[in-house]
This record gives sequence, structure tokens and C-alpha cells, in this order.
Amino acid sequence: EIVLTQSPGTLSLSPGQRATLSCRASQSVSSTYLAWYQQIPGQAPRLLIYGASSRATDIPDRFSGSGSGTDFTLTISSVEPEDFAVYYCQHYGSSPLTFGGGTKVEIK
Amino acid sequence: QVQLVQSGAEVKKPGSSVKVSCKASGGTFGSYPISWVRQAPGQGLEWMGGIIPRFGTTTYAQTFLGRVTITTDESTSTAYMDLSNLRSEDTAVYYCTTERLTGPIWGQGTTVTVS
Repeated sequence: EIVLTQSPGTLSLSPGQRATLSCRASQSVSSTYLAWYQQIPGQAPRLLIYGASSRATDIPDRFSGSGSGTDFTLTISSVEPEDFAVYYCQHYGSSPLTFGGGTKVEIK
Repeated sequence: QVQLVQSGAEVKKPGSSVKVSCKASGGTFGSYPISWVRQAPGQGLEWMGGIIPRFGTTTYAQTFLGRVTITTDESTSTAYMDLSNLRSEDTAVYYCTTERLTGPIWGQGTTVTVS
């Protein structure tokens, strides 16, 4: 089973700042099957990035994904007020699906 | 574009069972895996198990072995997750998810309350 570790646990930022979120895998992951989600309390996870670096439909270009092997990064170039939420990385494409523990992006 | 629509919220007694449905529309159903993921209040995302509809092959997380059953009905493009012997710790939102070339697709979630 691929274990995904996200860091930091919480990121305190002001609007307009850059956010860098990390997802580290316990073993090499195919980039084809690495996704990032945003979750606002009370809502389902919203797909942001799939295939490690492809933006999902209607996702603003301030969100970008990068990485390969065991290290992946989600970057928000300039955080907007609506971006304060919890972010999860996910390995998919084979069972078991696994998720990181999440990074909370909060207002500083 | 495939959409997944789940059944409505449930309130169950401890020891009972719940069956949640997930209906796919707008695309091919049988060839792609469907998984069930749950999220307890204030917690992260936990994979429960999955199925490939065309072959009926299932895999389950060790945590849920013996309590969860995932099935599909290809004639209605619907997947089901049956969880038995419910306890208070099973109170959660349950999601179905599948994947396409454009990434994972999720249902809207079904809240199951065990009380």
C-alpha cells in the first residue's frame, strides 16, 4: 500500500501569498495517478489536479501541480479568500486508493 | 462527462445495515473501477473497497473485511455499498468515486448517521 504524507499540516497565509503544499509517497507513484483535491467543510472533495499536473475542468490557473516519483507539490500562486480550505493528495489507478492526511490552508 | 448520483441520507440503529447506491450517467459504466470512500466527521478520507463492474471483481480494505459488500447492476449503471453491523463510529459521509482519462469523478456523498 502506498502511504501518502502531506506537509505541512497547517499553512497560515494572507490573501495574495503563495502556497506550497507537499505530498510524499512511501514508494514511487506513477504521475498518471496522482490527484489533488480541495475540500470546504460540508462539501465533497473538489478535484483540482489529476495526472500530477493537469488542471481539472474550470480550475483557475493559479493552481498548479508538479512532481514525480515520490515527491509531489501543489502550488497556489496567489491565494484568494475562497482558497482557504483543506487540501488532499490521492493515489488512484489501482487498489487500494490512498489519501494523504490533508493540509489546512488558513487565514493568517 | 460521467456523473455519479448517490442515494439520500440515512439514519440507522446500531447493529443494523445500510445500503447506499451510486448511479452513473453520461458515460461507459462497466470497464472502469468504482470505489467507496468514507469521511467521518472532522476526519480524512478512507478507502473502503472497490469493484470493476464488467468483471465483478472486488477488493476491500482490511478494516472493513466481513462487514462491507460492494456490488453493481450494469443494467442500471448503479453501484451499491452495503455496510453491516453498524456502530456509532460508522457515522460518516460515504462517497462513490470512479476514474476516467480526465481524472477521478466523485458522487455528492451520502450521510449515514448511526444512533
